[in-house]
Amino acid sequence: GNSVTQMEGPVTLSEEAFLTINCTYTATGYPSLFWYVQYPGEGLQLLLKATKADDKGSNKGFEATYRKETTSFHLEKGSVQVSDSAVYFCALSASNTGNQFYFGTGTSLTVIP
Amino acid sequence: KAGVTQTPRYLIKTRGQQVTLSCSPISGHRSVSWYQQTPGQGLQFLFEYFSETQRNKGNFPGRFSGRQFSNSRSEMNVSTLELGDSALYLCASSLVVGVNSGNTIYFGEGSWLTVV
Repeated sequence: GNSVTQMEGPVTLSEEAFLTINCTYTATGYPSLFWYVQYPGEGLQLLLKATKADDKGSNKGFEATYRKETTSFHLEKGSVQVSDSAVYFCALSASNTGNQFYFGTGTSLTVIP
Repeated sequence: KAGVTQTPRYLIKTRGQQVTLSCSPISGHRSVSWYQQTPGQGLQFLFEYFSETQRNKGNFPGRFSGRQFSNSRSEMNVSTLELGDSALYLCASSLVVGVNSGNTIYFGEGSWLTVV
């Protein structure tokens, strides 16, 4: 079946620290991989995505590389800011399930000044 | 371009009642899907609609139902509410529906349902 396993939180970092949030997946077929971010009281916003192996998604300083050999899609940012404090969700969309997305449990990130 | 709009944003219902939530997708988007978000279960897929037809359904009891209108707007209904139905209900729309993955879904801000 399809599933996403995401690093447990919460994560607390100082401003300008390096961020990694681990994400691994199990999927049938050839999935696309996504990172969504949720700010307090809001819905989810797309952060970045990758649709095939070795693709790198990037946005707002965040990056993630689709690694088929390790079935991973880890999120990284070189220097976090207070405004990055949010909950981050890794997700996959499998080729045989249309627009049904499978989400990880979410990782809460707090960045302190 | 307006985003996904969900109404109402907040509501409180009593056990046994029913509730209807509404979603207006991004203009031009014909696929609408619904998710339930709870602290314990995370984000769970409810169902997806395209061209007024349910294309996919998650593992929820029959009390959860939905529909889509010809203008792509969608509603979901929960009957005989239980305390465990308290959650954030998120609607998402997508421009494309197809067998290939990679379609981005765009979320609304959600409807917060509290069952007392």
